[in-house]
Amino acid sequence: QKEVEQNSGPLSVPEGAIASLNCTYSDRGSQSFFWYRQYSGKSPELIMFIYSNGDKEDGRFTAQLNKASQYVSLLIRDSQPSDSATYLCAVKNSGYSTLTFGKGTMLLVSP
Amino acid sequence: SAVISQKPSRDICQRGTSLTIQCQVDSQVTMMFWYRQQPGQSLTLIATANQGSEATYESGFVIDKFPISRPNLTFSTLTVSNMSPEDSSIYLCSVVPLGGTGGGNYEQYFGPGTRLTVT
Repeated sequence: QKEVEQNSGPLSVPEGAIASLNCTYSDRGSQSFFWYRQYSGKSPELIMFIYSNGDKEDGRFTAQLNKASQYVSLLIRDSQPSDSATYLCAVKNSGYSTLTFGKGTMLLVSP
Repeated sequence: SAVISQKPSRDICQRGTSLTIQCQVDSQVTMMFWYRQQPGQSLTLIATANQGSEATYESGFVIDKFPISRPNLTFSTLTVSNMSPEDSSIYLCSVVPLGGTGGGNYEQYFGPGTRLTVT
């Protein structure tokens, strides 16, 4: 059973701080990793993907991948109240085109 | 990116009945998937909708309960059959756009979802 683990939170950070969201996965053969943001009552929105070890930056978001440690993270700089949402980590299953999702981490950014 | 619509957006159904959910994309996609998201839970993949052939179901989901069609590259349906209150959930379709970012990287984009309540 392939697993993707996330701390359920909530992770509370003040406005302007850096939010750090973490994810570990069990499928050592996985090559593709995704972060989705889901606002309450809405469907998931893809915000970042990463395929290579290291960092990938897009605006205020940075995804970090360490395949040896089977660890992927998402950093949100200058956090805003509008970033308050649940963040889902997803991992492409090796040998398949499907994704396995973690349970998500709820982020709360206070003004 | 692709614009994805789902119909209906929500419905309240009686137990024992069936509901068909439609997923329409405004451009061709390579892959389409159906997920279920129960209240407060993460996403569970029901099946991969294959064009012109039977869907590929995940463990715990069967064709008799969740028949799926995908007649072309832009449209798919999911039917929830013989419903019970345990089927109350949000049903989401997702797609992998044709071309994507290149290299078959499998980014999935989600439709707005169908909120189903079974009484």
